[in-house]
Amino acid sequence: ETGVTQTPRHLVMGMTNKKSLKCEQHLGHNAMYWYKQSAKKPLELMFVYNFKEQTENNSVPSRFSPECPNSSHLFLHLHTLQPEDSALYLCASSQERGGWNIQYFGAGTRLSVL
Amino acid sequence: SQQGEEDPQALSIQEGENATMNCSYKTSINNLQWYRQNSGRGLVHLILIRSNEREKHSGRLRVTLDTSKKSSSLLITASRAADTASYFCATDGGWGTDKLIFGTGTRLQVFP
Repeated sequence: ETGVTQTPRHLVMGMTNKKSLKCEQHLGHNAMYWYKQSAKKPLELMFVYNFKEQTENNSVPSRFSPECPNSSHLFLHLHTLQPEDSALYLCASSQERGGWNIQYFGAGTRLSVL
Repeated sequence: SQQGEEDPQALSIQEGENATMNCSYKTSINNLQWYRQNSGRGLVHLILIRSNEREKHSGRLRVTLDTSKKSSSLLITASRAADTASYFCATDGGWGTDKLIFGTGTRLQVFP
């Protein structure tokens, strides 16, 4: 148990559906992240939130909409996705200490877009 | 691209053997980390080495860093079947500390 919980673990959705991924961290960290991991591709950073403020949007399509209501919760709202959006979506959190950033990851949500 | 690259992409060994994975990166760094990922799960932090360190140990893990070559290696000694996973290096790119750049990963298979 890493202290970062993601729900749901698996999600199948059609291209016209709207769904949300949820991430919750119990570590008291100030930063939270969304990553996309596709087969045979490097881990892609999507969004970074620091003290609830978005500090990074890595050219992510608008069909992915993040929300960070507080430092412990992070959502990824999904709408009108494409089949190529099928991937493992990982949430992570961190707290800067001594000039380094060790990230703690959730188990991920395996998303399939039909 | 600022992505790191791990080498080899895949590695298969027998239990008891040592496994060595290499990572190359492109920018200056403050530190470099190694993470492990079991299939379909999240990444788990293994070890961090600072840019002014050359070698670091943690249990059966040994990490080296050569900033002049922009490369690092992870050695797992006396491997076990439970070490089967993907291993990633991650750098901070020398910017600040709220962003990591992950490499492409090495898939390690340890046969009993």
